[in-house]
Amino acid sequence: DQQVKQNSPSLSVQEGRISILNCDYTNSMFDYFLWYKKYPAEGPTFLISISSIKDKNEDGRFTVFLNKSAKHLSLHIVPSQPGDSAVYFCAASDYGGATNKLIFGTGTLLAVQP
Amino acid sequence: NAGVTQTPKFQVLKTGQSMTLQCAQDMNHEYMSWYRQDPGMGLRLIHYSVGAGITDQGEVPNGYNVSRSTTEDFPLRLLSAAPSQTSVYFCASVDRAAGNTIYFGEGSWLTVV
Repeated sequence: DQQVKQNSPSLSVQEGRISILNCDYTNSMFDYFLWYKKYPAEGPTFLISISSIKDKNEDGRFTVFLNKSAKHLSLHIVPSQPGDSAVYFCAASDYGGATNKLIFGTGTLLAVQP
Repeated sequence: NAGVTQTPKFQVLKTGQSMTLQCAQDMNHEYMSWYRQDPGMGLRLIHYSVGAGITDQGEVPNGYNVSRSTTEDFPLRLLSAAPSQTSVYFCASVDRAAGNTIYFGEGSWLTVV
């Protein structure tokens, strides 16, 4: 039973446009959410996080939105750049971000076309 | 700046063989962990350690052993490799002072034939 779901395995976007990556979760006790970015042959790197007391968090071109009633979060990248092409994982925890309780989604491969 | 270093990067094992994946971090993080990534699945936690001398099981611990004799090192041992352990393995350390930010190694690609 996948508690964190990324239903789109891949997404293709033109350079300069907005990329929207989606993530759904089933556990209403999750209170901390993160996005990781992974290039081929490298380990994932932390991108941005949000706690359940917020509905939005911004960091430069990256914004994460949290809709608790829908159990849905999304990552917006504006404007998208070719260097953003990577696999993006969302992750959730019900222990305030305790890393031994993190559940990862299956990932979405983003391709930004020049 | 080395961060989290894993070796080997690639390994092919025969069923029943044992091996150790090495992991070292130079950031003085207390918390370290091992994940595996399989097609169609997210990263899954195998074992973790909250400090030297302390280890605990994650979501998928069967077939793996860990030890933590120093803060820097956290090796993962496959006791008797099985084809189901073919996967990409990531070691990670956590900066608890920075909101539990996880730093991953580059990954180890293991194939069991």
